[in-house]
Amino acid sequence: GEDVEQSLFLSVREGDSSVINCTYTDSSSTYLYWYKQEPGAGLQLLTYIFSNMDMKQDQRLTVLLNKKDKHLSLRIADTQTGDSAIYFCAGGAAGNKLTFGGGTRVLVKP
Amino acid sequence: DAGVTQSPTHLIKTRGQQVTLRCSPISGHKSVSWYQQVLGQGPQFIFQYYEKEERGRGNFPDRFSARQFPNYSSELNVNALLLGDSALYLCASSSDRGLDGYTFGSGTRLTVV
Repeated sequence: GEDVEQSLFLSVREGDSSVINCTYTDSSSTYLYWYKQEPGAGLQLLTYIFSNMDMKQDQRLTVLLNKKDKHLSLRIADTQTGDSAIYFCAGGAAGNKLTFGGGTRVLVKP
Repeated sequence: DAGVTQSPTHLIKTRGQQVTLRCSPISGHKSVSWYQQVLGQGPQFIFQYYEKEERGRGNFPDRFSARQFPNYSSELNVNALLLGDSALYLCASSSDRGLDGYTFGSGTRLTVV
């Protein structure tokens, strides 16, 4: 089955860029997603990328995909205190289950 | 537009009891999936239903069961509750092929004592 791994914690200063990394094992994952979870809340879909893409940009968010290394990253530009949360990457084939990483806790310091 | 709605938001059950959790998908979404999120971990896939048929099942014991109704809402049932079943249970809905991603509800926080 698929394994998805993420670093546990990231601390960043307000206004700096954040980069959250993720590695996955299942090359059949056709979609790779980034979700955000705030304390006590469900998961908010931030962005996703098809496996045939290398990069996707959506306002302050940039997703980079290196299929050869099975590495996915999420860059948040101009990080704000409201970006403090847990970020999950997840992979799956269209219409099928998602496999999530363990999450990266991002702390934004003023 | 209403998002994915789950009920109840919180509940406390005793070991050995049974629980039913409910989920209403986004209007027009025919696929519903259930995930279990233990504190400090990522969500784990339990079930997926599409058009009332089970499309996938995760590595969970037979104490876990689910169904989808004609209006595409869904229930997750857990029998003979164990302390380890304490978790946030998340429901997600998606369109036919999930091309736009999966929209999650706020979850049901289940505590087993």
